[in-house]
Amino acid sequence: RKEVEQDPGPFNVPEGATVAFNCTYSNSASQSFFWYRQDCRKEPKLLMSVYSSGNEDGRFTAQLNRASQYISLLIRDSKLSDSATYLCVVNRNNDMRFGAGTRLTVKP
Amino acid sequence: GAVVSQHPSRVICKSGTSVKIECRSLDFQATTMFWYRQFPKKSLMLMATSNEGSKATYEQGVEKDKFLINHASLTLSTLTVTSAHPEDSSFYICSASGRVVGGRADTQYFGPGTRLTVL
Repeated sequence: RKEVEQDPGPFNVPEGATVAFNCTYSNSASQSFFWYRQDCRKEPKLLMSVYSSGNEDGRFTAQLNRASQYISLLIRDSKLSDSATYLCVVNRNNDMRFGAGTRLTVKP
Repeated sequence: GAVVSQHPSRVICKSGTSVKIECRSLDFQATTMFWYRQFPKKSLMLMATSNEGSKATYEQGVEKDKFLINHASLTLSTLTVTSAHPEDSSFYICSASGRVVGGRADTQYFGPGTRLTVL
């Protein structure tokens, strides 16, 4: 079993749609959690950290369920510029493990 | 803040040559730097972790004699791919974590990557 598993997609959605990505992790001792986005042939960029109480940043909402070892990312009112691969990242003692990513394409 | 640069951005070399890639944290002290490799349409794979002034810790399956990592200062780490072969062609990305103003110490900030092509 992979340490971090994501639905690979692809997700093809129209502009304005709401889309949700899921991620599960296997190591219960994981300490911190992140979502990164990666555009084609570019480096990953931090989108947001994920806090236990859940957190929101504009159109993006992240949730963490430690009991189920599950992380989610919700994107509301999706824009064309949201098209990218979204990486779920789990950290323990500065050892970060990346999911394979979920590809999102937002279409006009 | 938290800018990481990488140089060069693209390298094309002949098989058997060595290639050095530099990773610099420009506006913070990177206590830890990481080197990743990514093949097309695949996930990032951690190659090694290095702390300033100490030897790098390599992931299983990564040859330390082939991928030489030096982390000589809090702002610079280098990866040297020795005797490169076509199968080493990949996207190499570094990241750094450390004391970032307004940020978390466990967040990794990525460089723009180096695309290596070995002919």
